[in-house]
Amino acid sequence: DGGITQSPKYLFRKEGQNVTLSCEQNLNHDAMYWYRQDPGQGLRLIYYSQIVNDFQKGDIAEGYSVSREKKESFPLTVTSAQKNPTAFYLCATSRGFFGQGTRLTVV
Amino acid sequence: AQSVTQLDSHVSVSEGTPVLLRCNYSSSYSPSLFWYVQHPNKGLQLLLKYTSAATLVKGINGFEAEFKKSETSFHLTKPSAHMSDAAEYFCVVSDILTGGGNKLTFGTGTQLKVEL
Repeated sequence: DGGITQSPKYLFRKEGQNVTLSCEQNLNHDAMYWYRQDPGQGLRLIYYSQIVNDFQKGDIAEGYSVSREKKESFPLTVTSAQKNPTAFYLCATSRGFFGQGTRLTVV
Repeated sequence: AQSVTQLDSHVSVSEGTPVLLRCNYSSSYSPSLFWYVQHPNKGLQLLLKYTSAATLVKGINGFEAEFKKSETSFHLTKPSAHMSDAAEYFCVVSDILTGGGNKLTFGTGTQLKVEL
């Protein structure tokens, strides 16, 4: 079955650590997106990539980094510069397909 | 930039009664509009999509939405609520990104509660 796989489902990070969230798709879609969800705020765009080896900042890119070395993969790194990283992170592809999300908690 | 406003943060209905979730949009051109549903700690599932074809859009699970340009609205309806409909619903507009491509701009969500 085609789809988007995000891992892990739950992730705990200590203060000052970088962590990487995985997003893999087998839909053969060109564009991939990372969104952050906070209670009462809907979803906000962090980064997006239209093609391999190219990506652009979204509305809230500070403290995050991405790479797009393969069409299928678009990992998101939450760096120690992100002041409030606790949130639900969702990966999406073009045509509006979403993964099941990763819940990141800072401990 | 496009935007959407969901007029109710919480809606409560009885099982078997109609559902109405309201959404207004702001757009400088003909928009693409979506409704998504999210169950707790889950990803988003697309319910339906409007892309300038028929103004009444039918989606999954008995939901439908009507695009009304004169009212800049895209309200979501269902004739009879089921307990399994309890979830959070997002109205979304597709916006054009600098450099090409589209991004989804989300409303703040409506939590639907279904009571026996």
